[in-house]
Amino acid sequence: EDKVVQSPLSLVVHEGDTVTLNCSYEVTNFRSLLWYKQEKKAPTFLFMLTSSGIEKKSGRLSSILDKKELFSILNITATQTGDSAIYLCAVEERGAQKLVFGQGTRLTINP
Amino acid sequence: GAVVSQHPSWVICKSGTSVKIECRSLDFQATTMFWYRQFPKQSLMLMATSNEGSKATYEQGVEKDKFLINHASLTLSTLTVTSAHPEDSSFYICSARGGTGDEQYFGPGTRLTVT
Repeated sequence: EDKVVQSPLSLVVHEGDTVTLNCSYEVTNFRSLLWYKQEKKAPTFLFMLTSSGIEKKSGRLSSILDKKELFSILNITATQTGDSAIYLCAVEERGAQKLVFGQGTRLTINP
Repeated sequence: GAVVSQHPSWVICKSGTSVKIECRSLDFQATTMFWYRQFPKQSLMLMATSNEGSKATYEQGVEKDKFLINHASLTLSTLTVTSAHPEDSSFYICSARGGTGDEQYFGPGTRLTVT
C-alpha cells in the first residue's frame, strides 16, 4: 500500500527563519510528488516533482526530490506570517489516477 | 490556471437527511474527478475517483451506497451524502483533471455539518 509520511507534523518558528519540511514515501510505481499549501480552504498547488536532483523554485520556496532515497524536502526561506499554513505532500503512482497524501505539516510563523 | 468550483461552500443539515454537493470544472473538461474528505487536523483522504460516464471507483472503507457519486458530464460531478449522520460532518473537497498526466485542480471545499 502506498504511504506518504511527513515530518515534522508541527513546526513553530519566528518570522525570517528558514524552514525545511520533509516528505518520505513508499509507492510501487512512482510517477510524481506534489507539494500543496492549505490555509483555510482547499489545497493550492506549489510544486510537482518528477525527476531526482532538480530543484524547483518559486520565490522563497524551493523543493527537491531524491528518488533513490524516496524523499523530498520543501524549503522556505525568510519566512513570513503569511506562510503559516498546512503543507501537504502527495504522491501519484504511474498508471493510477489518485493522489496519496501525507498527514501534513502545520507551520506557524510568529511575528 | 484551471478553476474548479464547489457548491455549496458550507451546509448544515439534520441527521437522516441527504445532502448534495456539486463540483464543476469551469474552464476545462474534466475527464476525471476526485472526492476527498478531510476531518479536523487530518490530511485529505480520497473517497472515490469518478470518470465521466462511468461508475465511480470507491476507496476501501467508503460506503458507495452512502456516498453517491455522479459524473454525468465533463464539467460536473456530484456527491450525495445520504442519510447523513453527525460523524459525516467533515470538509469535502473535490478535484478535477483534464487528462491522464495532467495536474489535479482542487475546488474550494464544502464544509458539511450534520446536527
